[in-house]
Amino acid sequence: DAGVTQSPTHLIKTRGQHVTLRCSPISGHKSVSWYQQVLGQGPQFIFQYYEKEERGRGNFPDRFSARQFPNYSSELNVNALLLGDSALYLCASSHPNYGYTFGSGTRLTVV
Amino acid sequence: SQQGEEDPQALSIQEGENATMNCSYKTSINNLQWYRQNSGRGLVHLILIRSNEREKHSGRLRVTLDTSKKSSSLLITASRAADTASYFCATDSVSSTLGRLYFGRGTQLTVWP
Repeated sequence: DAGVTQSPTHLIKTRGQHVTLRCSPISGHKSVSWYQQVLGQGPQFIFQYYEKEERGRGNFPDRFSARQFPNYSSELNVNALLLGDSALYLCASSHPNYGYTFGSGTRLTVV
Repeated sequence: SQQGEEDPQALSIQEGENATMNCSYKTSINNLQWYRQNSGRGLVHLILIRSNEREKHSGRLRVTLDTSKKSSSLLITASRAADTASYFCATDSVSSTLGRLYFGRGTQLTVWP
């Protein structure tokens, strides 16, 4: 079975641009969560989706949005990028019986 | 602010020695998990301990949980150079929904050959 897959692995964007990050959960996992990890810090919760509905949101501005598709894959969108958005973005899929599995992340650099 | 805080921030030991990392948290939890991260890559789940458990073992890993002190420890025995990584504790709060974990800043472990 494939684990959680994220794309792209690396991305460089310019301030003010928009970015879309993608995540495919483990087969059978209906919950997807997004985390932001800036250098030297632990991951910070951004969003959680379950059955295509937003079930939780962390302390992030409205520039951050996400959605989950019928196949349970998910996209994280960030508008009007700032230098401070440079980070590793992690996706995790979870199942009540099996816990959390994280993807390898997308490294976003904003210049 | 982050729920969990690891201590120490950095730990440097020789191969064969034991490494102990501590984690403190603030609110009531369902469970506490430890993760490992190599060089800013994805998180690898190591072990989960539920709030009604006090100790758990997995290979060279031993985790303890003291809910009265809101603290946990991760012990890696007979460490190897390949154990060099950042280690994070993450709590699954009683009041949070599935999928929301609170992470600390992590402990950077360096194991010298």
